[in-house]
Order: sequence, then C-alpha cells, then structure tokens
Amino acid sequence: KAGVTQTPRYLIKTRGQQVTLSCSPISGHRSVSWYQQTPGQGLQFLFEYFSETQRNKGNFPGRFSGRQFSNSRSEMNVSTLELGDSALYLCASSVNSYNEQFFGPGTRLTVL
Amino acid sequence: DQQVKQNSPSLSVQEGRISILNCDYTNSMFDYFLWYKKYPAEGPTFLISISSIKDKNEDGRFTVFLNKSAKHLSLHIVPSQPGDSAVYFCAASEGTNAGKSTFGDGTTLTVKP
Repeated sequence: KAGVTQTPRYLIKTRGQQVTLSCSPISGHRSVSWYQQTPGQGLQFLFEYFSETQRNKGNFPGRFSGRQFSNSRSEMNVSTLELGDSALYLCASSVNSYNEQFFGPGTRLTVL
Repeated sequence: DQQVKQNSPSLSVQEGRISILNCDYTNSMFDYFLWYKKYPAEGPTFLISISSIKDKNEDGRFTVFLNKSAKHLSLHIVPSQPGDSAVYFCAASEGTNAGKSTFGDGTTLTVKP
C-alpha cells in the first residue's frame, strides 16, 4: 500500500506570495491533518479534514487554509507569505480520527 | 502554554542498555497518547500508543508507561540499538480527536555502538 505523498518536497517563495501544498493520503484513509514544524519546535497542529469537512483547527491565522477533495486528497494554502512561515509542513492521514496517523515526508517551504 | 512537554532535548545511551524517554502533559482531557519516531528527511513514524484506561503497553522492545495522576508518560526501549537513533515525539489527543494531536518538541536519542 502506497504511503502518504506530499508535493512538492521543496519550495522557495518570497514574502507576500502565496503557496499551495498538496497531500495524497493512504488509500482508504479519510482523515487528513496538517502540521507545521519549525526548528527547535515540535509539530504544531494546523487543521484536520474528514470527508471534505474541516473538523478541527489549530491556532494559526486565517492566511492558512485548506480543503479536502472527494478522493480525500488535501491541499493547504498559505497566502501573503511571511518569513516566519518557513518550515516543514507535514501531512498525516488516518483511517478515521481514532487511530495513529501516518505521515508524509513533508514539504520544506523557504520564504525569502 | 505548552500542553505536552519533553524536557530532555537529547539523550545518549550505549547499545544494549535501556533508553527512557519522558513526557509530561498538562491537559487532563488528554486520554490517548502516542509516540512517534522521526529520522532526518522523513515524516514521523508511529511507534506505540496507550489509552488512558491502561497504565502500560508493550510492543517488542518498546514499552510505554502512563501515570495519569502525575500526568506523565515514558517510553522504554530495551535493548537499545544504533538504529533507534532518531528524534522521538510524544503526542496526546482527546479521545476522538486523535486527528488533532498535540506534540511535544521531541527528544533526540543517540544510541552509541
């Protein structure tokens, strides 16, 4: 069974731009969560989608948004990028919300 | 306020000895706890979990202990192997919200041959 895939793996943007990251969960998984990891910090929860609905949301500004499609694939969008948005963005999927999550390799975003 | 804390940023042990990684939490609503392992350039990989109705869960060389009164959990790895060298994250969630896990900052474990 294929794992969680994330595209692109690396991205360089400049301040003020916007970016869209993509995540394909494991087949059959309906829950997709997004996390941000910055140096020296643990994973900070961004949001969770389940069956195309945002079920949970972390404490991030409205510049961070996401969506989930009917095939469970998910996208995350960050508008008006700031230097502090430079981070590793991790996507995780699970069958539902009651089990462990399976993580993708992440997208390394650098904002210049 | 950090709700899940891993107070030791790093730990070094000799191959064959026991590794003990610790985690404290403050939110009494957390009732499902997980440990993940992360290698460089990879996403975290699930290792072991424990529900608040238990105080111990074992899986091979890995055992997680939960002390609810102290709001503390620990991961024991016995015996430690060089391949266990990685960053270990403790995570917690409120029951049905495992999709919204709160993670600690991680502990880097180095197992020396």
